[in-house]
Amino acid sequence: NAGVTQTPKFRVLKTGQSMTLLCAQDMNHEYMYWYRQDPGMGLRLIHYSVGEGTTAKGEVPDGYNVSRLKKQNFLLGLESAAPSQTSVYFCASSYLNSNQPQHFGDGTRLSIL
Amino acid sequence: AQKVTQAQTEISVVEKEDVTLDCVYETRDTTYYLFWYKQPPSGELVFLIRRNSFDEQNEISGRYSWNFQKSTSSFNFTITASQVVDSAVYFCALSDHEGGGSYIPTFGRGTSLIVHP
Repeated sequence: NAGVTQTPKFRVLKTGQSMTLLCAQDMNHEYMYWYRQDPGMGLRLIHYSVGEGTTAKGEVPDGYNVSRLKKQNFLLGLESAAPSQTSVYFCASSYLNSNQPQHFGDGTRLSIL
Repeated sequence: AQKVTQAQTEISVVEKEDVTLDCVYETRDTTYYLFWYKQPPSGELVFLIRRNSFDEQNEISGRYSWNFQKSTSSFNFTITASQVVDSAVYFCALSDHEGGGSYIPTFGRGTSLIVHP
């Protein structure tokens, strides 16, 4: 039982490059989320999805786009990476709604040079 | 203003000491949910507990206990007889319905607990 799987685990980009982070969950959860974690800032919500085909902005959405074409996958895109997007990114999912515990992936460490 | 405040950035204790991690939240909802998560040095985030706003019973799970007080908007976490393996960053989170729509969780900034042998 894999739970929430994030790909890749590490990545180094140059400023201006684009990339997509993939999150896959095998628990049939409705809700999925993307967070970034920066030192001293806790977890900040970037975007979230309450079901297949729907997405919404979180606290810090600028510079990111997301898609949820399949229920089990939630993609986070950086169109033009900036050094300020250097962070650890976590994907999470929860059953039915956000008053349920979230299950987190292991994180993606992204560095933008 | 932060919806979830963890005022203690870092706490350092010696093994076997008791330690309390504070969490103060802010919401106007009458129905909301509170969570604690643990992030050990390996980096993964692990769910510890969930409380809804209608259940003010304190909970004990082994060396862990949680004290939920609506009167002070606090949901504090106590580790009794701390161990080195308790060293981690602990996050408190609030999920409420403000503004309508979905319940969306907000995390505090975390408290780093260091337990020295």
